[in-house]
Order: sequence, then C-alpha cells, then structure tokens
Amino acid sequence: NAGVTQTPKFQVLKTGQSMTLQCAQDMNHNSMYWYRQDPGMGLRLIYYSASEGTTDKGEVPNGYNVSRLNKREFSLRLESAAPSQTSVYFCASSETGYEQYFGPGTRLTVT
Amino acid sequence: QKEVEQNSGPLSVPEGAIASLNCTYSDRVSQSFFWYRQYSGKSPELIMSIYSNGDKEDGRFTAQLNKASQYVSLLIRDSQPSDSATYLCAVKKYGNKLVFGAGTILRVKS
Repeated sequence: NAGVTQTPKFQVLKTGQSMTLQCAQDMNHNSMYWYRQDPGMGLRLIYYSASEGTTDKGEVPNGYNVSRLNKREFSLRLESAAPSQTSVYFCASSETGYEQYFGPGTRLTVT
Repeated sequence: QKEVEQNSGPLSVPEGAIASLNCTYSDRVSQSFFWYRQYSGKSPELIMSIYSNGDKEDGRFTAQLNKASQYVSLLIRDSQPSDSATYLCAVKKYGNKLVFGAGTILRVKS
C-alpha cells in the first residue's frame, strides 16, 4: 500500500520554464489537495479537488493550474515558473477532509 | 490576524518532561481541530484530532480544546528525543479544507 506518491522528488527550473508535478493515491479517497510549504509560513493550500471532476482554488492559486485526471491522480502545473515559486510542494488526500494523508513532497527550486 | 497562530519556538524541554504546545484560531464557528507532526525533511502526519471541549488522551499525547477561548493545545508527557519535530495545528474549514498554523519546533534534549 503506497499511500500518496509524488513525482519528482526534486526539481530545478529556470525562470519561465514549465513543469507538472504528479500525485497519485491508492486509498480510494475522494478529496485531494496541493499545498506549498515555505519557512515560517506553514502549509498553504494552492488548489484542492473535493471529488473527481471538481477543482477549487485555495489560498495561493496564482501561477498554478491543476487537473484531477481521475479519482487517483491530481496534478499541479506551473506554466511559467518564477523564483517566488521555490518551495516544497505536498500533495495530500482525504476521504472526509478530517484526516489528510500527505505524500513525501517535491522540493522545487526556481533560479 | 492569521487564522491559526502558533508560537514558532523552538520550545526546548528536557527528556522526560511535559511539552506543552499551544494554538489559537480566529474563526469562532470552527468545530474540528488537528495536530500534525512533521519531522525535518519529511511530510506531516496526523497525531491527534479533537472536536469537543475538554481533553482527549492518546498514549503520551493529550489534546485540549477550549472553544470559548478559541484555544487548542497539545501536551506530550514523558517527552523523548524522538518527539523532536515541528508540530502543526490545523483547523477544518468548509469544503473539506484545513488551515494550518506555521508550526512550533519542539526540541527534546537528552
């Protein structure tokens, strides 16, 4: 049982490049989330998907897009990366929203 | 004002002591509260949830909730060096979302 998996684990981008962070869960959860974590800022919600086929903005959505490909997969895309998007990105899933299970994270550096 | 506030620490306690971590929240209608533990370089994991006023105990952990004061705390008894981590307080919002505090760093010294 892998839980929540994320790829890649590390990524370095140049300003203006694009990339997609992948997330998959095998717990049959309805809800999935993308967070970013910066020093001193805690976890901030970027986008979430309450169920397959729906997505909604979180606290910091600017510069990001998401796709809920199916019940298992939820991807996060940076269309034109900026240094301000240097962060650690976590994907999470939940059945009810009460307990969220997190993936191992992606450490992204934008130069 | 942040929705969920925590003292960033670090909070240093000797091994075997009680560690007390505190959290305040701004939305009076909040009903569900969580404590996540995050080791350095790792992802957060849920360790406690609490929904009613009072105390909830699970092993060495006790969560305390006071809705009138909008205050949540986590007590760790018999603290061990392995408890050294960042502890994140989270509050459930509408739409299955959580709002997290910035976290408190706990250091347990042997």
